Amino acid sequence: GAVVSQHPSRVICKSGTSVKIECRSLDFQATTMFWYRQFPKKSLMLMATSNEGSKATYEQGVEKDKFLINHASLTLSTLTVTSAHPEDSSFYICSARDLDRSYEQYFGPGTRLTVT
Amino acid sequence: GENVEQHPSTLSVQEGDSAVIKCTYSDSASNYFPWYKQELGKRPQLIIDIRSNVGEKKDQRIAVTLNKTAKHFSLHITETQPEDSAVYFCAATTNQAGTALIFGKGTTLSVSS
Repeated sequence: GAVVSQHPSRVICKSGTSVKIECRSLDFQATTMFWYRQFPKKSLMLMATSNEGSKATYEQGVEKDKFLINHASLTLSTLTVTSAHPEDSSFYICSARDLDRSYEQYFGPGTRLTVT
Repeated sequence: GENVEQHPSTLSVQEGDSAVIKCTYSDSASNYFPWYKQELGKRPQLIIDIRSNVGEKKDQRIAVTLNKTAKHFSLHITETQPEDSAVYFCAATTNQAGTALIFGKGTTLSVSS
C-alpha cells in the first residue's frame, strides 16, 4: 500500500518556540493532505486540509496563524506550531489520499509534541 | 459538514463473544465508510471499509453493514480474541479528492480471556 512518513516522531520544545512537522507521501503524489490532532483517549480531530500550491483550509476553531501549513510540493506538507504553549501538547497525524486508489487514505505514524 | 456519532464508547466482552459497534452519519453525500483500529501512540490501521453501493462486506471475523437510508453503519467482530482489544474508530467521507475523513469518537474494546 501507499506510504506516508512523518518527521519527527517525537519532539519536546519549550514554551514560546516553534516546531515544524513534516508529512511526506513516499510513493505517490498527493494534491491534498490532511492534518489531525488527537488528545489522549480522544478521537482524531481534523485541523486543516492542506492543498498543494494554495492556502490551507482550516476547520472552525483552529487558528491559522498558530498552525501554519505549507504544501509546497505534491509529496510534502508541513505543519508549524508557532509560539507553542503546553496546551498545544498533543499527537499530530497527517494523512493523504492516493487518487489512483480513490477512496483509501493513508496515515503518517504521527508526531508526539510535548511543550514544557 | 459531516458529523459522525459512534456508540458505545466502551465495550467489554469475553473471549469468543461477538462485538458490535455502531455509527451514524449526517451527510447524505458521504459514500465511503472505513473502520480503523488504533493502538496507543500509533497511527490508525484500516481494518475494513465499505462503499455506499454495497450493504455488507465481510473479511474473516470482521464484517461491516451499511444502511444508507438510515445513515448508519456497524462493525461486527465475531469470535473475539484478546488481541482485538484496542480503540476502534468509524469514519465517513466522500471519494472526492479534497474531502477529509470525519471520525467518530471511538470505542475502547476490551476482550478478556
